[in-house]
Amino acid sequence: GAVVSQHPSWVICKSGTSVKIECRSLDFQATTMFWYRQFPKQSLMLMATSNEGSKATYEQGVEKDKFLINHASLTLSTLTVTSAHPEDSSFYICSARDLARNSYEQYFGPGTRLTVT
Amino acid sequence: DAKTTQPTSMDCAEGRAANLPCNHSTISGNEYVYWYRQIHSQGPQYIIHGLKNNETNEMASLIITEDRKSSTLILPHATLRDTAVYYCIVRVAGNQFYFGTGTSLTVIP
Repeated sequence: GAVVSQHPSWVICKSGTSVKIECRSLDFQATTMFWYRQFPKQSLMLMATSNEGSKATYEQGVEKDKFLINHASLTLSTLTVTSAHPEDSSFYICSARDLARNSYEQYFGPGTRLTVT
Repeated sequence: DAKTTQPTSMDCAEGRAANLPCNHSTISGNEYVYWYRQIHSQGPQYIIHGLKNNETNEMASLIITEDRKSSTLILPHATLRDTAVYYCIVRVAGNQFYFGTGTSLTVIP
């Protein structure tokens, strides 16, 4: 149980284009999902907290107009990297909390590797 | 910002116990300590969490000091598959996780 998937697992795009990454909770409902970014040999950095039916809360220094987050259902959150540039190349990971569990444990997806050329 | 500090790396012999320390001296009374691990290029995997009592599950044990300023994750019999980066995280009031630098554990045959 508590499986989180991401799609795609990797993507290559050209500079200036936009890329959408999906995060799904497969066997549970998640009112809250989180998006992280991880550069090579570095730790995970929290980008934003995504709440179902409301606007995402972004961490300081993360551009909300560049990283668009939509959490339209209890099982799906999407991250769109707009006008991507090579410096946006990174490993993007989402996580989700299980609404039904009395726990704040986060279940992580397998990550999406974005390469911008 | 991360509220934890961990050693950058550790080695452990296969079959022996791996003891991974974490300092969280600024932890507040209602903040939990979580441990996750990340194997290369994968999403983090939950290990264990606790508030003030020691905890044990099928993967590991978590020992939290009485003043809650530090904790130790214990993998009782390390295997090669336990080689990973281990993150100690303090869950803040807004339920966010702020990852520190983690400890890269290498289990040696």
